[in-house]
Amino acid sequence: EIVLTQFPGTLSLSPGERATLSCRASQSIASNYLAWYQQKPGQTPRLLIYAASNRATGIPDRFSGSGSGTDFTLTISRLEPEDFAMYHCQQYGDSPLTFGQGTRLEIK
Amino acid sequence: QVQLVQSGAEVAKPGASVRVSCKTSGYTFTAYYIHWVRQAPGQGLEWVGWINTNSSGTFYGHRFQGRVSVTRDTSVNTAYMDLSGLTPDDTAFYYCARDPIGSSSAIDYWGQGTLVTVSS
Repeated sequence: EIVLTQFPGTLSLSPGERATLSCRASQSIASNYLAWYQQKPGQTPRLLIYAASNRATGIPDRFSGSGSGTDFTLTISRLEPEDFAMYHCQQYGDSPLTFGQGTRLEIK
Repeated sequence: QVQLVQSGAEVAKPGASVRVSCKTSGYTFTAYYIHWVRQAPGQGLEWVGWINTNSSGTFYGHRFQGRVSVTRDTSVNTAYMDLSGLTPDDTAFYYCARDPIGSSSAIDYWGQGTLVTVSS
């Protein structure tokens, strides 16, 4: 199965700053089927990005995804207070689907 | 509107089995996979398995093979996850979620989660 490694584990930034989150796969992800989810405490995950670079419906354009093959990035161009949360990457190009261990984005 | 409504919390003893249901509405049931994903308290997401609600084909995560079964009933637009041989390590929130068949999109709607607690 494809192992996803997210880094950093925790990212401490201030509102207004730029956030860069990484997700590396143990092998190339078919069709770049890599998704990013945001999860806040007590809530279910929310789809942000699918197929590496496509924003899901209703997601603000400060969120962007990039990458291909084994290396992928989620960028939040200018952090809003509501963006501080846990972020998960997931590959769905091959079964079994797998998730990364998550990156916690916290207020500095 | 799209809804995935899961059954209530379960408490089970080690070695027992549990069934969690996921009743859907607001969309064409057979146009979407149903995935099961779990999350232990304070931990990350772990994929359990999926069912193609159109063909009833399934695929399970390696660590669940042999003790998980995902089924669906198209007459009531509901999917089920049965997990057997429970251990305390299976204590987690279990989520169902949908994903369009034959699309490049990913999981876009989730159930509210069902807490399964395994304790003697």
